[in-house]
Amino acid sequence: DAEITQSPRHKITETGRQVTLACHQTWNHNNMFWYRQDLGHGLRLIHYSYGVHDTNKGEVSDGYSVSRSNTEDLPLTLESAASSQTSVYFCASSEGRTGRETQYFGPGTRLLVL
Amino acid sequence: RKEVEQDPGPFNVPEGATVAFNCTYSNSASQSFFWYRQDCRKEPKLLMSVYSSGNEDGRFTAQLNRASQYISLLIRDSKLSDSATYLCVVNVRSGGSNYKLTFGKGTLLTVNP
Repeated sequence: DAEITQSPRHKITETGRQVTLACHQTWNHNNMFWYRQDLGHGLRLIHYSYGVHDTNKGEVSDGYSVSRSNTEDLPLTLESAASSQTSVYFCASSEGRTGRETQYFGPGTRLLVL
Repeated sequence: RKEVEQDPGPFNVPEGATVAFNCTYSNSASQSFFWYRQDCRKEPKLLMSVYSSGNEDGRFTAQLNRASQYISLLIRDSKLSDSATYLCVVNVRSGGSNYKLTFGKGTLLTVNP
């Protein structure tokens, strides 16, 4: 069965370190997204991609970067981790550009920045 | 006005009850609308899309009022397994053929035996 996976599922890091969160989907979807979820906020979009070599900034992109070298993967990099980036990170994928597509979410990565 | 606002909850209801969630959105250019369900410490999953004419899926009924920029979800005959956080989600065209999902903060429902 097609799926979307994230790794690691839990991560503790220190302020200033570079961290990369992996997202891999076997749906063969063109669209991939990264969100963060914090108490008191809905899911907020960090970056997204509509295909290989395409990346776009979301509403909370500062301090994060992504690259899309193939269809299956969209790794999220925290260039210099900050305590404000402690959060739960969800990756999602979808297919199509009509605006009515279902987004399928991965299980999430819980990141703690000390 | 926030982009997507939901009832803050939490809602605590007995099994068998009917419960309704409301949601308002601020962007009149919003294209499509959804309810997602999120179980504790899990990922969001699509519960149902919301169509202009309203739609029903078993015990769940979703309605959209574009004039009032209002979306609702009705759950009838609540089950223990309905306990979750319900997320109101709006899709807005953000330029060209780009779309952006905007999520409400969610409403927590607990169904009690």
